[in-house]
Amino acid sequence: EIAMTQSPATLSVSPGERATLSCRASQRVINNLAWYQQKPGQAPRLLIYGASTRATGIPARFSGSGSGTEFTLTISSLQSEDFAVYYCQQYRSWPYTFGQGTKLDI
Amino acid sequence: EVQLVESGGGLVQPGGSLRLSCAASGFTFNNFWMTWVRQAPGKGLEWVANIRQDGNEKYYMDSVKGRFTISRDTAKNSLHLQMDSLRAGDTAVYYCARQDYGSGSYSYWGQGTLVTVSS
Repeated sequence: EIAMTQSPATLSVSPGERATLSCRASQRVINNLAWYQQKPGQAPRLLIYGASTRATGIPARFSGSGSGTEFTLTISSLQSEDFAVYYCQQYRSWPYTFGQGTKLDI
Repeated sequence: EVQLVESGGGLVQPGGSLRLSCAASGFTFNNFWMTWVRQAPGKGLEWVANIRQDGNEKYYMDSVKGRFTISRDTAKNSLHLQMDSLRAGDTAVYYCARQDYGSGSYSYWGQGTLVTVSS
């Protein structure tokens, strides 16, 4: 099983600032990585797949990068609606696995 | 419009069983892998199990192997999760999700159904 580790656990930033979230895989996942946003009481929302491709309707301020074992989600200028929990997920091999999440705090 | 609607959650005693269902609509059900993902209260997402389009290939997370069984009914466009020998650690909201075609990501999710395992 591939373990996914996200850092930091919590990131405190101000609106308008840039946020950088990290995700590390215990084995190479190539670019089989997705990022999700989740707000309280809601299902996750897909942001990025293939490590760097934005999902339909996702604003350009969200970008993903990385390959192999190290990945990054960058939010270029935080809006109030971006404060949420973010998860990475690998789909290189079964069982697919999620990271433990990074909470983006104001 | 793609819709996934879970049902079947509730309170069950440790060691008991529960069967979750997910009604799918708005897409050709037979064309997609389907998945269950869970989230314990206040915790992160856990991928639980998935099933191929024809139902002949299934994968599970280690902690549910031998206790949970994923299945699908193509005639009724529904996904199921039979959960046996339930433990307190299985308490979670269970989401049904459609695996994106050609990828392992999930663009479509249900609203979730809560399973509580407690005496």
